[in-house]
Amino acid sequence: GAVVSQHPSRVICKSGTSVKIECRSLDFQATTMFWYRQFPKQSLMLMATSNEGSKATYEQGVEKDKFLINHASLTLSTLTVTSAHPEDSSFYICSADGQGATDTQYFGPGTRLTVL
Amino acid sequence: GENVEQHPSTLSVQEGDSAVIKCTYSDSASNYFPWYKQELGKGPQLIIDIRSNVGEKKDQRIAVTLNKTAKHFSLHITETQPEDSAVYFCAAVMNEKLTFGTGTRLTIIP
Repeated sequence: GAVVSQHPSRVICKSGTSVKIECRSLDFQATTMFWYRQFPKQSLMLMATSNEGSKATYEQGVEKDKFLINHASLTLSTLTVTSAHPEDSSFYICSADGQGATDTQYFGPGTRLTVL
Repeated sequence: GENVEQHPSTLSVQEGDSAVIKCTYSDSASNYFPWYKQELGKGPQLIIDIRSNVGEKKDQRIAVTLNKTAKHFSLHITETQPEDSAVYFCAAVMNEKLTFGTGTRLTIIP
């Protein structure tokens, strides 16, 4: 149980284009989903908290107009990197709160974004 | 906000020996402490967790201890195996927000 998927697993795009990453909770409903960013050999940094049916809460320093988050259902949250640039290249990971176990986050497999 | 420190950053252990990773946190309001294992190119996998009303928890070869007074918590892996090689992250959670430690790269030497 508590499986989280992400799609795509890898994406390469040209500078200036937008990229959408999907995060799905496969066997449970997640009121809250989280988006993290991880640079090579570093820890995960929280970007934003996504609540179903409401606006996402962004961490300090994260541009909400650049990283658009939509959480339209209890099983799906999307992160859109708009007008991507090479410095946006990173490993993006989502997580979802496990149903019935408060504060327990289950992570997706991550999406490797490379912006050329 | 919460600050989590983790030591050591790298750890090499002979297969069969034990490995210990230590973390400290700053905010006494944190009440949930999960540990994650991350293999190369993959997302973190929850391996064990402990809540603030418990001092120790064990699951087969893995155990976690928590000292709330000192704001310390530790991961213990016994009888290490090659498949234990990975990066391990501790975390502290307060109001749903999870703050990760800096990670420990554990290498098991066959």
